[in-house]
Amino acid sequence: AQSVTQLDSHVSVSEGTPVLLRCNYSSSYSPSLFWYVQHPNKGLQLLLKYTSAATLVKGINGFEAEFKKSETSFHLTKPSAHMSDAAEYFCVVSAHPSSASKIIFGSGTRLSIRP
Amino acid sequence: ETGVTQTPRHLVMGMTNKKSLKCEQHLGHNAMYWYKQSAKKPLELMFVYSLEERVENNSVPSRFSPECPNSSHLFLHLHTLQPEDSALYLCASSQGYGQSYEQYFGPGTRLTVT
Repeated sequence: AQSVTQLDSHVSVSEGTPVLLRCNYSSSYSPSLFWYVQHPNKGLQLLLKYTSAATLVKGINGFEAEFKKSETSFHLTKPSAHMSDAAEYFCVVSAHPSSASKIIFGSGTRLSIRP
Repeated sequence: ETGVTQTPRHLVMGMTNKKSLKCEQHLGHNAMYWYKQSAKKPLELMFVYSLEERVENNSVPSRFSPECPNSSHLFLHLHTLQPEDSALYLCASSQGYGQSYEQYFGPGTRLTVT
């Protein structure tokens, strides 16, 4: 069975400080892992994905995530937050070779940026 | 138009109405998806089409009826909905069907059932 847990429902940081959004997963198969971002009244946009290649994945807008199998984690980080990063972030685990229904979305983390 | 588009962006309908949501992808993808996004709940996958065939139906009530006439278009036909069906309905597409394919999402249709 697959599951994904986003450990914080809301994270608030000051502009220019680092961002850490935490995600833990469980999976019966070797998973693919994704981070998506959703700005207000918009659809989801892919930030980055892991599919069993390099464990440190770089995405758009300066975000990156590290796959740690021993910790079953896939935390999202950014060295310096920008006001435009304020949005909802979703961690997603996909762990079945031929079934989209095994795609599991986390409940989301709302990121707020303080000026 | 680029990416994934959805129309209408907002829809208000009564419980006895019949309406349809439309999704179009301009990416040359082979798989398309309908999701329901409700407040305080994770995204719920509703239907998946791969190469125009429905490959997944996740226990969705029959008042929701999908249609995929070709690989670029996806519809969600709605009839006799309930107030709890009010939500943001998101369409997505991917190049293929399987765990490693990222999905590209449309902006969604905000549905309110009165």
